Amino acid sequence: AQSVTQLGSHVSVSEGALVLLRCNYSSSVPPYLFWYVQYPNQGLQLLLKYTSAATLVKGINGFEAEFKKSETSFHLTKPSAHMSDAAEYFCAVSKRDGGFKTIFGAGTRLFVKA
Amino acid sequence: NAGVMQNPRHLVRRRGQEARLRCSPMKGHSHVYWYRQLPEEGLKFMVYLQKENIIDESGMPKERFSAEFPKEGPSILRIQQVVRGDSAAYFCASSPGAGADTEAFFGQGTRLTVV
Repeated sequence: AQSVTQLGSHVSVSEGALVLLRCNYSSSVPPYLFWYVQYPNQGLQLLLKYTSAATLVKGINGFEAEFKKSETSFHLTKPSAHMSDAAEYFCAVSKRDGGFKTIFGAGTRLFVKA
Repeated sequence: NAGVMQNPRHLVRRRGQEARLRCSPMKGHSHVYWYRQLPEEGLKFMVYLQKENIIDESGMPKERFSAEFPKEGPSILRIQQVVRGDSAAYFCASSPGAGADTEAFFGQGTRLTVV
């Protein structure tokens, strides 16, 4: 069975500081991994995805994530936070053997202080 | 190219009534997925449909919930005899294919409140 754990339901950073949102996954088969962002009262938007190419994946808005198989992690980072990054972020995993029963984590709400 | 359209955006129903949530996928997308988001929780998969077929409904409650994606028209998620616990945001997503690495595009959701 697959699962996703996001450590920290709330993260607060100062503007210009490093953003680090943690995600650990569990999967019996090599997974696909995703990070989505949700702004208030909006749907989810894909930030980036890992599909077995490079382990360091670059996404939109300056975000990137690194797939570490040994740690079963896929943490999301951004070198310098901007006020507009305040949102909820979801890590997700899906199986490679077809289908689209993507499993989402509980989400991490990012607050950015001026 | 319009995105995934969900309506209504907000829906209020009294206990025991029926709720019908609509989702029009992006143009060219024939795969639709419904998710439910409870407060302070992530999205929970409910059902995956292609045109006229339910492919995976393993996340759907066994009673009161049903989904369809007819040949013509939007996908419909129907909840009969709603209860307070059905209050949540329901998101629809669509994709052009079924590969597990295929990006899905999400609608803005329908927020159901049962009073």
